[in-house]
Amino acid sequence: DQQVKQNSPSLSVQEGRISILNCDYTNSMFDYFLWYKKYPAEGPTFLISISSIKDKNEDGRFTVFLNKSAKHLSLHIVPSQPGDSAVYFCAASNYGGSQGNLIFGKGTKLSVKP
Amino acid sequence: NAGVTQTPKFRILKIGQSMTLQCAQDMNHNYMYWYRQDPGMGLKLIYYSVGAGITDKGEVPNGYNVSRSTTEDFPLRLELAAPSQTSVYFCASGKAVTEAFFGQGTRLTVV
Repeated sequence: DQQVKQNSPSLSVQEGRISILNCDYTNSMFDYFLWYKKYPAEGPTFLISISSIKDKNEDGRFTVFLNKSAKHLSLHIVPSQPGDSAVYFCAASNYGGSQGNLIFGKGTKLSVKP
Repeated sequence: NAGVTQTPKFRILKIGQSMTLQCAQDMNHNYMYWYRQDPGMGLKLIYYSVGAGITDKGEVPNGYNVSRSTTEDFPLRLELAAPSQTSVYFCASGKAVTEAFFGQGTRLTVV
């Protein structure tokens, strides 16, 4: 059973507009969430993270929102750029429980069209 | 600044053969992970380690073994390769479970 779900396999957005990528989780023990970006033939690279004690974290064009009651988080990219075209993975962990596992979703492929 | 280094980058194995995927990190991270990514799928955790001498199973450990004798190295062993193990394997490391730095991946094909 998937603990971290990214239900949209792909998303296409026009350059300059907002990209919103969604992620849902089922395990209420998760207390730390991360977003990774992956280009073809490369390893994933860290983008932004958020602790469960916050509901928003912002870093430049990237903002992550966390809704604990809905077990939902989203990544907003504003404005979107063609270089943002990649697969985005949501990941979750039980940091407070000192568990070692970091669980990933299936990813959403973002295409930003010029 | 090497980061996480995986070797080899590509490998073709015959069914029943064995091999070890190497992973080394030079960042003195306690946490290390092995993931596999099948075509069109996400990253599935195979094994992880929270420190030297400590390993634990992830979501898909069957057919694999790991060891963590040093902080730097976390090799992944395939004993009897099967076509279902055809995948891209990623090793990652981090100071804590709140981060993971990934290697470039090993593309393995079992024929």
